[in-house]
Amino acid sequence: DADVTQTPRNRITKTGKRIMLECSQTKGHDRMYWYRQDPGLGLRLIYYSFDVKDINKGEISDGYSVSRQAQAKFSLSLESAIPNQTALYFCATSDTSVSSYNEQFFGPGTRLTVL
Amino acid sequence: GQQLNQSPQSMFIQEGEDVSMNCTSSSIFNTWLWYKQDPGEGPVLLIALYKAGELTSNGRLTAQFGITRKDSFLNISASIPSDVGIYFCAAPAGGSNYKLTFGKGTLLTVNP
Repeated sequence: DADVTQTPRNRITKTGKRIMLECSQTKGHDRMYWYRQDPGLGLRLIYYSFDVKDINKGEISDGYSVSRQAQAKFSLSLESAIPNQTALYFCATSDTSVSSYNEQFFGPGTRLTVL
Repeated sequence: GQQLNQSPQSMFIQEGEDVSMNCTSSSIFNTWLWYKQDPGEGPVLLIALYKAGELTSNGRLTAQFGITRKDSFLNISASIPSDVGIYFCAAPAGGSNYKLTFGKGTLLTVNP
């Protein structure tokens, strides 16, 4: 869905580097999420945000931080990247103002490789 | 935490065949969602189910919300090569209305 964009789409970096992944949405949704996907492990929630002032840890937040700069922007940072953070990263949004508030809409993903 | 058990893990079928997959849990849910992920892309919402027993279609796809509220099923009729991908079920996590827990996915391969 082109309404949720992620940059970069691919990134290769070295151990110890700081990395930021960006997510922007034009859906006007209030909630945003960051997920990590690894083969065989499915999608796991890293952080989620209900609005600009509200940030919450997901199930695997260690080694990550986030910033909700505006309702439409939610960035994920790896302060000091390590090889086991090599994965696909997805941003998602949802709209709590509608009855279908459980439905989340995903961006195209960022493939991150840490050498 | 709540776990969704999705099966089968993978399927290899011939074009034109019908496909069935399911998702089960020991927990009760009020919503079931089905997503498809194409290679190199993000998951796309296919079908949302909100009522026990509900049967909803989206083209050749049909999903059902199990009557016990602990399971859901997805069927694809007359499969075509572009049906290839990973299919995920999802449901609200831990009583929260805003977080989802996902199954580990069913990888579908369609042989032309």
